[in-house]
Parts: sequence; C-alpha cells; structure tokens
Amino acid sequence: IAGITQAPTSQILAAGRRMTLRCTQDMRHNAMYWYRQDLGLGLRLIHYSNTAGTTGKGEVPDGYSVSRANTDDFPLTLASAVPSQTSVYFCASALGPGGSGADTQYFGPGTRLTVL
Amino acid sequence: GQNIDQPTEMTATEGAIVQINCTYQTSGFNGLFWYQQHAGEAPTFLSYNVLDGLEEKGRFSSFLSRSKGYSYLLLKELQMKDSASYLCAVRDSNYQLIWGAGTKLIIKP
Repeated sequence: IAGITQAPTSQILAAGRRMTLRCTQDMRHNAMYWYRQDLGLGLRLIHYSNTAGTTGKGEVPDGYSVSRANTDDFPLTLASAVPSQTSVYFCASALGPGGSGADTQYFGPGTRLTVL
Repeated sequence: GQNIDQPTEMTATEGAIVQINCTYQTSGFNGLFWYQQHAGEAPTFLSYNVLDGLEEKGRFSSFLSRSKGYSYLLLKELQMKDSASYLCAVRDSNYQLIWGAGTKLIIKP
C-alpha cells in the first residue's frame, strides 16, 4: 500500500441496505477524515478522527457512523442507505491534529456510491 | 454561518495567465489551502497561506489578505493539463477545513 486507499471504487446499493466504505492509510497519520462531494457543493465533512480510538462529528454526520480501532483504518458505515446518500465519498488523512504548519490533508481516490 | 465563495467556472487560453478568487467568512482562521481536482480524481494539495502576502511555487502563486477575507490563486503559462477544478478551503477555529464549491477552469488552445 502506498498512501491512502479506498474500497470499493464504486457501488450501487438498494435503499435500506447496510454498507461499509473502507479507508486505509500507510503514512502513520494521526488524523483521518470522511467527506462527501456533491455537484455544486464543496466537500462536506461527515466524521473525523484526530487519533486512534477517538472520533468526532462533522457537518453532515446523520445516517453515518465511523470507528477508529487503529491508526491505519477508518471505515465509514451507512446503517440503512437512502437515495440522498448518493455521492462521491473521499477519505483523507493528515499528520495532525491541529496547527503545526500546513498539516496538509491527503485524499484517497474516492468511492462513487449510488443508492437506488 | 461559514461561507467560502469562488466563481463556478472560468475559461482561459493556453499560455495565458488566470486568477481564481476566493472570499471567505469563517469562525476563526488557521490557514487557507488551494487544491486541484481533475475530473473523476481526488483533490491534490497546491498551496497553503497563513500569513498575508504572496506564496510562489513554480507556475502557481497564492495570495492572502486576512483583513479582507480574500485569497487568489494565480496560474501562469497555462497548459492544457491545468484544466481542472480548483478548490479553496479555510481551516477554522476547530482546525477543520471549510471548503468552497470549486472553480472549474477550462483551458482552450
């Protein structure tokens, strides 16, 4: 693994089904993030984790849950998918948390999810 | 509320210069970022400003005025591969990034 990976690349899901999007990084970054990106809108933060064992809610957390059992993995779960969750989901990581210099976020390739 | 504004779309000619503006109103300020995103791909980091002034990095430069809540990204000697969306993001008082909707830049030969 080099950098940050996400799986699956794309998925079509029936409404009401449960789905977990996977995210793994090998950069030993402390902070990880889940965003959704919708046409005409900026990236919106769903959940974040500043360090293994801790998570926090972002701007649009409803209908999603996360866990951070270790440094590398940060899965995002949709307990019961709805059509409004159709979006492109990006996972990102940063050395973080907080303010030393740029603390740039690095993004995974994304998961394109369609809920019918 | 928090708000990041940038133009939806801009068109420029190969070899020319283009300036993409970003204005922001956020709860606190801990730096401003510019990212590039090609269609169907992930955003990639371009630049970071935390102090007022111009940061130059090759063909790309980024300017910040904190008192005006304003930044711009300047792209020189445009190449066809610069066709992409450019995302402005501000790190707020909670150290979370607030993102603009992005500016789609179209480069014509």
